[in-house]
Formats: sequence, C-alpha cells, structure tokens
Amino acid sequence: AQKITQTQPGMFVQEKEAVTLDCTYDTSDPSYGLFWYKQPSSGEMIFLIYQGSYDQQNATEGRYSLNFQKARKSANLVISASQLGDSAMYFCAMTFMNTGFQKLVFGTGTRLLVSP
Amino acid sequence: DTAVSQTPKYLVTQMGNDKSIKCEQNLGHDTMYWYKQDSKKFLKIMFSYNNKELIINETVPNRFSPKSPDKAHLNLHINSLELGDSAVYFCASSQVKRISYNEQFFGPGTRLTVL
Repeated sequence: AQKITQTQPGMFVQEKEAVTLDCTYDTSDPSYGLFWYKQPSSGEMIFLIYQGSYDQQNATEGRYSLNFQKARKSANLVISASQLGDSAMYFCAMTFMNTGFQKLVFGTGTRLLVSP
Repeated sequence: DTAVSQTPKYLVTQMGNDKSIKCEQNLGHDTMYWYKQDSKKFLKIMFSYNNKELIINETVPNRFSPKSPDKAHLNLHINSLELGDSAVYFCASSQVKRISYNEQFFGPGTRLTVL
C-alpha cells in the first residue's frame, strides 16, 4: 500500500526565514514521482516542484527546493526567504509505477503561516 | 488564457437533486481527472479519462457519472445528491511527458454545498 505522511498540520515562520515542510512516504514501487502543490486561501492548486525517484540531484525551482532522501523515504520541501504570500496549504503528492503514474496521491497537507 | 476551467464555481442545492459540473482544458492534454477535496482539505482522485476513455474509477458511488465528449472536456454528473457530497471538486489535466512526471494542472474548483 502507498501512504504519504505530512506530520506537521501547521507551521509558523517569520518573513525572510527558511522553512522545511516534511513529507515521508511508504511504497514498494521502484519508480515513483514526488510533487509539491500549494493551495492558497483562494483555493486553486499550484504546482511547485517535482522529483523523480531516479533523479540523482535534488530538484530546485527558484526559492523552492526538494530535500529528497530516498533511503529515508522522505521528500521535504524547503522554502527559502519566506514571503507573506507563501502563507497557504502545502500538499505533498506522488505518482506510482503500479498505477501507471496516472493519478496523484496526496498527503494530508501542512498549513504554513508566514508572519511579518 | 484560462488553462483548465470549471463551471460553476459555487453550487448550492438540496438533497436528492441532480447536478452537473463542467470542465474544459485548452492545453491539448490527453488525460483529465476529477478530484474531491473534503472539509478537512484531503484530496482524493475520483476518476481519470485518457482520450475519452475511463482509466481510473476509484470506488466512487455510481451516483457519480463522468462523461468525456472529447478530450478537452470532462463533465461530472451527480444524481440524488447527499449531504456527504458537499466538498470542493477539482478538475485537472495532464500530458505525461516522461515516466513518473505527471504534472497535473488544476481548475479553480467547484464548491458544492448540499443542504
């Protein structure tokens, strides 16, 4: 069975500081994809970053980086230099080989609040 | 230009009614999806269509019937609405370009409230 765990229901960070949002997973699939999505209070789902299970280097997209530790089955999102606009729900999600990578399976999400 | 659009954005209806949500994407993607987000913000896939063919049906009650008239449209019809159907429904689309990289583009969501 595939399971994605986000243990932090809520996180607080001050503006301009870095924050790490945790994501661990459990799968026996040899190949999978890891995604992070942001959902601001307006409700839309915004793709942030992707990491393939065979990618050697950690993914980075601007202020977002994915700290991928395959042996530990973790894929934490690091946001550097937090901004007020980063306040939102953040979801870790995955695709799996045994479902043909056809669907995203989501974690329960972490609510991030950035304070001035 | 809107990539994935859904109508309506809000839907308030009585128990027992039948309603539809429409979704359209102009990204040229082959695959479209319906997800449900419950009151605790948990997102779960309901259906997936690839080139108008149903490929995923995640044990959703048969009161829910998706229809894909063409690969740019995926509609969701719900019969005999129940209180537990209240949720936000997201449409998404994707084009898998390489293995495991299934970046999905989401619509703005439809908030369904059943009274």
